[in-house]
This record gives sequence, C-alpha cells and structure tokens, in this order.
Amino acid sequence: GAGVSQSPSNKVTEKGKDVELRCDPISGHTALYWYRQSLGQGLEFLIYFQGNSAPDKSGLPSDRFSAERTGGSVSTLTIQRTQQEDSAVYLCASSLGQTGYEQYFGPGTRLTVT
Amino acid sequence: AQRVTQPEKLLSVFKGAPVELKCNYSYSGSPELFWYVQYSRQRLQLLLRHISRESIKGFTADLNKGETSFHLKKPFAQEEDSAMYYCALRGRGGKLIFGQGTELSVKP
Repeated sequence: GAGVSQSPSNKVTEKGKDVELRCDPISGHTALYWYRQSLGQGLEFLIYFQGNSAPDKSGLPSDRFSAERTGGSVSTLTIQRTQQEDSAVYLCASSLGQTGYEQYFGPGTRLTVT
Repeated sequence: AQRVTQPEKLLSVFKGAPVELKCNYSYSGSPELFWYVQYSRQRLQLLLRHISRESIKGFTADLNKGETSFHLKKPFAQEEDSAMYYCALRGRGGKLIFGQGTELSVKP
C-alpha cells in the first residue's frame, strides 16, 4: 500500500523567503509527527498531531516554524523568513496512535537555504 | 531529562566480524526503545523494538536497565548491513527521541 509521502522532495530557497512542506500520512493513521534531520543536530522532534487534540509544538525551534493538519490528514510545515541554519531534511512520520504503534517515515524534504 | 546517546559516529568492520552499536539512554520510568535504520537513498525504517524481543536480519538488542543501555548486536556482519543506525526512545505523546546515529560500514 501507499506509504507516507512528502513534497517537494527538494527545495532550494533564498534566505528570508517562506517555504511550505507537505506531508501525506498513511490513510487511517491518526498520529502525525514532524522531525528534522541535520548534520549538527541529528534527528530531532519538531511537532506532533494526534486526532483532534491540540498539537504538541514543544520541539519547534522558533516562532518562525508552524504546522497545521487539515481534516486529520494532510499536514503542512511552514517556515517563515528562512535562515541558513534551517537547511536540513524534514521528515514526516505517521502511526495508528500515539503509543504502542510503529511510526512510518516519509522520504523527507531536503531544504537548502542559500 | 530524556536523552539517547550513541557514542560512536562511525563504526567500520570487516565482513563476518561481530558488530555492536552502543546506545545509552536517560529516562525516568519504563522506557520503550527502538533501533531504526536508514540505508543509502532509502527512508528511515524500524529495525527492532525492545518489547518484541525479536531478531531482525540477524540483529538483536537487549534492554539493560541497570546500565541504561540498549546496544545493537550482530554476530557476523554483512556488507548489506552498511547503513546509518539510530537508537530511539519513545517520549511523551509517542514522539521519538533519537540518538545522533552511528554509521556502520562493513568492508569486504
């Protein structure tokens, strides 16, 4: 079946511009997570959504980062006024629930800020 | 604090040699631990979890609460095992807390 998909696969943007990254989770998965994979920081949690509950935004590095999940399915991660330190691979994962379930990862979006 | 430490950035072994990728964690309570693997140009995928106590692709990992460790082991490494390996701890809400990762290189 279809796994988690992300778009675009690659994004190059100029410093100061806004970007939107999209994640399509596996159908029926109620939990959705965003992570960031960078050379200096490894893999770090950003935000997660579970059903209709308020999202846990505790991992977002600054208020330039925001995310939403519409209709309990597709999620968009938005980075405003991008900085060079935002360059990383942004990974999305989904699972059937919060705990006790495997998280399935997407292929990631590689963001390069020039 | 919840933390995962993988002390080795790179581990290089010859084919057929034993492999041990180290992972230590910090967590108050009963931890749920995982090993994830990322092969070249592939997405991150679950290798094994401690609650399953299973062996996947010849790899095993035992949770040692006394030493707060969850090392990944394989008795005889294969070239196809070359990949990036991440140890992870399940945190609040199900989010995963990852170690920095260890790159395993298996040479012929």
